[in-house]
Amino acid sequence: SQTIHQWPATLVQPVGSPLSLECTVEGTSNPNLYWYRQAAGRGLQLLFYSVGIGQISSEVPQNLSASRPQDRQFILSSKKLLLSDSGFYLCAWSSGISSYEQYFGPGTRLTVT
Amino acid sequence: AQSVAQPEDQVNVAEGNPLTVKCTYSVSGNPYLFWYVQYPNRGLQFLLKYITGDNLVKGSYGFEAEFNKSQTSFHLKKPSALVSDSALYFCAVRAPTDSWGKLQFGAGTQVVVTP
Repeated sequence: SQTIHQWPATLVQPVGSPLSLECTVEGTSNPNLYWYRQAAGRGLQLLFYSVGIGQISSEVPQNLSASRPQDRQFILSSKKLLLSDSGFYLCAWSSGISSYEQYFGPGTRLTVT
Repeated sequence: AQSVAQPEDQVNVAEGNPLTVKCTYSVSGNPYLFWYVQYPNRGLQFLLKYITGDNLVKGSYGFEAEFNKSQTSFHLKKPSALVSDSALYFCAVRAPTDSWGKLQFGAGTQVVVTP
């Protein structure tokens, strides 16, 4: 069966510090991968998506970047965090063949102080 | 572009009573529709989907949803709510022309089930 991992689970970082969040998927190959941010409240905002190694598409201009160094690894980064980067970051995957539903990881709670 | 509306910020229901969470959508062509549930500080859990076929789809934990093309709706239902169903529920739509599998989510509906 497929599983998706995210780490760290929680993170407190000062403004101006770098960021690296990692997401890995097990039990599937060639997944589509997605990064979302859920701000306080509830709405989900799609940040990045990838359909293959080294291929990244950005949905909104921002202080963040993403990379996909391996087939089942998706990394969210920032060189200098802003207060507005605080939120709950969710990684998701879907099948690259019959990509209907997405499956979500447990999330990372980021607080920028 | 596709969009999803969840008109209720919160739905309150007594345990044992029927639960309905409303969702309407806008998309070109025949939509792919989804429901997810989120418990506090957790990721979203997939409940059910409509791709094609029978308008009534059954999912996890006793939930079902009815696709209504004329009303562009996909309401989530459960005949008898449990306290443990208290959570945040998201409706999502995918355009059939989207080959990247991107979903557009609604703003979410908080469900509160009281004993």
